Amino acid sequence: QKEVEQNSGPLSVPEGAIASLNCTYSDRGSQSFFWYRQYSGKSPELIMFIYSNGDKEDGRFTAQLNKASQYVSLLIRDSQPSDSATYLCASRANAGGTSYGKLTFGQGTILTVHP
Amino acid sequence: GAGVSQSPSNKVTEKGKDVELRCDPISGHTALYWYRQSLGQGLEFLIYFQGNSAPDKSGLPSDRFSAERTGGSVSTLTIQRTQQEDSAVYLCASSFRQGQYFGPGTRLLVL
Repeated sequence: QKEVEQNSGPLSVPEGAIASLNCTYSDRGSQSFFWYRQYSGKSPELIMFIYSNGDKEDGRFTAQLNKASQYVSLLIRDSQPSDSATYLCASRANAGGTSYGKLTFGQGTILTVHP
Repeated sequence: GAGVSQSPSNKVTEKGKDVELRCDPISGHTALYWYRQSLGQGLEFLIYFQGNSAPDKSGLPSDRFSAERTGGSVSTLTIQRTQQEDSAVYLCASSFRQGQYFGPGTRLLVL
């Protein structure tokens, strides 16, 4: 079983809709979770991170974390064609109480927003 | 401000040759990470530096891979006796606190 699992998609949504991207993790020691966006041929770009149960909003993006269910999600409101990319979910264990340490990535979900 | 920079952007080498990949992190970022991304394996961790020391080298795939960081800044990833399976995009990231910020990567092709 992979440590971080994502539905590879592709996920296709119409412009203006809400895109919902999901991620599950197996390591209960994971404390922080990250969402990255990666355009084809480019490097990953950090969208947001979350480490507390509940929702965290940043503009059109909302990250949700449920540690009991070991589930993380990213909602993109008012999706635009420019949101079309691969979205990577990553987890990080709490390394000795610091905010550092390796990220473990899922395989990514391909999102296509069509006009 | 300036982001993470990596050089070269592309490298083509012959099997058996050594290669050096360079990473220049964001100024003030104390932590530096190396990952690689290939089609079959996704994005996988290689090594992490805090300052000049490497608390976690668990992702280095073999003893052909080594890395160092000097002056708490620039890092070099060296691959000796390259193999075709080393072909991938090598990504460097740096962080100060929570988020890790990636450079543009070095695309390595071993013929």
